[in-house]
Amino acid sequence: GIQVEQSPPDLILQEGANSTLRCNFSDSVNNLQWFHQNPWGQLINLFYIPSGTKQNGRLSATTVATERYSLLYISSSQTTDSGVYFCAAAYGGSQGNLIFGKGTKLSVKP
Amino acid sequence: DVKVTQSSRYLVKRTGEKVFLECVQDMDHENMFWYRQDPGLGLRLIYFSYDVKMKEKGDIPEGYSVSREKKERFSLILESASTNQTSMYLCASSLARGPYEQYFGPGTRLTVT
Repeated sequence: GIQVEQSPPDLILQEGANSTLRCNFSDSVNNLQWFHQNPWGQLINLFYIPSGTKQNGRLSATTVATERYSLLYISSSQTTDSGVYFCAAAYGGSQGNLIFGKGTKLSVKP
Repeated sequence: DVKVTQSSRYLVKRTGEKVFLECVQDMDHENMFWYRQDPGLGLRLIYFSYDVKMKEKGDIPEGYSVSREKKERFSLILESASTNQTSMYLCASSLARGPYEQYFGPGTRLTVT
């Protein structure tokens, strides 16, 4: 199966700053999702992005499938952006089952 | 909007008890999943189901079983709960087999004493 690695593991920002979270995967993927886990534990879908670029408000994501990485950009960060961000990927032989990275814990200070 | 609900947010059980965790989705999805999440280990797949009465083992099925009698409902069963099954349990669903977006429920934090 594929390996999914996220960096950095921890990130502390001042409110208003921008940040980039990275996800590397070890093989070709046909599904790549970004999630935000809120303080209550729920995983919130941010992007479904096996390739290309998408934007949603202050968040955007880019997946370069040929180079096996995805980036999540957070602009003008707010304290409510705090939490853990997960990247998860699936490959052709996995029947759609996601392999999760270990996450990036983001803390945004006021 | 896809909605995935789980029967309890918090649950405390004793060692040896039989525990049922219920998950319901309202979008007619074929695929449903159970994960557990532990500090330092991330999310790991326990079981999944791609159709009624069908089930397949994930990465860590030992100590668990599942039931899917109706399309919208997927149950995780701990036949005899043990302390090492204290964890956060997350249910998810997706449209069908293959590279479809997964949607998660709010999670059940289970403590076994």
